Amino acid sequence: NAGVTQTPKFQVLKTGQSMTLQCAQDMNHNSMYWYRQDPGMGLRLIYYSASEGTTDKGEVPNGYNVSRLNKREFSLRLESAAPSQTSVYFCASRGAGGTGFVYTFGSGTRLTVV
Amino acid sequence: QQQVKQSPQSLIVQKGGISIINCAYENTAFDYFPWYQQFPGKGPALLIAIRPDVSEKKEGRFTISFNKSAKQFSLHIMDSQPGDSATYFCAASMTGGSRLTFGEGTQLTVNP
Repeated sequence: NAGVTQTPKFQVLKTGQSMTLQCAQDMNHNSMYWYRQDPGMGLRLIYYSASEGTTDKGEVPNGYNVSRLNKREFSLRLESAAPSQTSVYFCASRGAGGTGFVYTFGSGTRLTVV
Repeated sequence: QQQVKQSPQSLIVQKGGISIINCAYENTAFDYFPWYQQFPGKGPALLIAIRPDVSEKKEGRFTISFNKSAKQFSLHIMDSQPGDSATYFCAASMTGGSRLTFGEGTQLTVNP
């Protein structure tokens, strides 16, 4: 099925550990995004990549790094995890819709940092 | 800073009732206003969207009302069903812009 695939779905880390969240899309979209979702705060943009080879900071980039490996893949890395990074992380890609542009989201990675 | 404010945070409606979720934005350069629906354990999915050249857009039981002068827009769900129980997010962006700004989300529960 076409769409956005995120791995892993669940992860528990200890404070200070590192990990990389993987994201791949097969819709030939140029733009890809990483959001975090926290209760009462909506979806906040961490980093995005408007096209292959470019990345830009969003609202909450501190503590994260990203890599746009190729047009399909966009990874998010936590170098030294902190409890404040406990969240649900969503990757999205953007295509062109009839009245603007449509974001397609993955099913999320639920991360707990203890 | 939160450029899109959404209310209420949670909403309980009886089956057959009308659900209304409101959003307000600050940036007058925004010209695309989508609503996303999210079921538990899933990512958000586009539900309906509007541009400010129209005041209302309807798709089935879902309607967006848009008030450009007040910088507000709302989602109305007519004849609400238990299957509509989900979290709803409003959002805003600019044409040609590469970022979508989301509201805080509303958790809707429709009781049978």
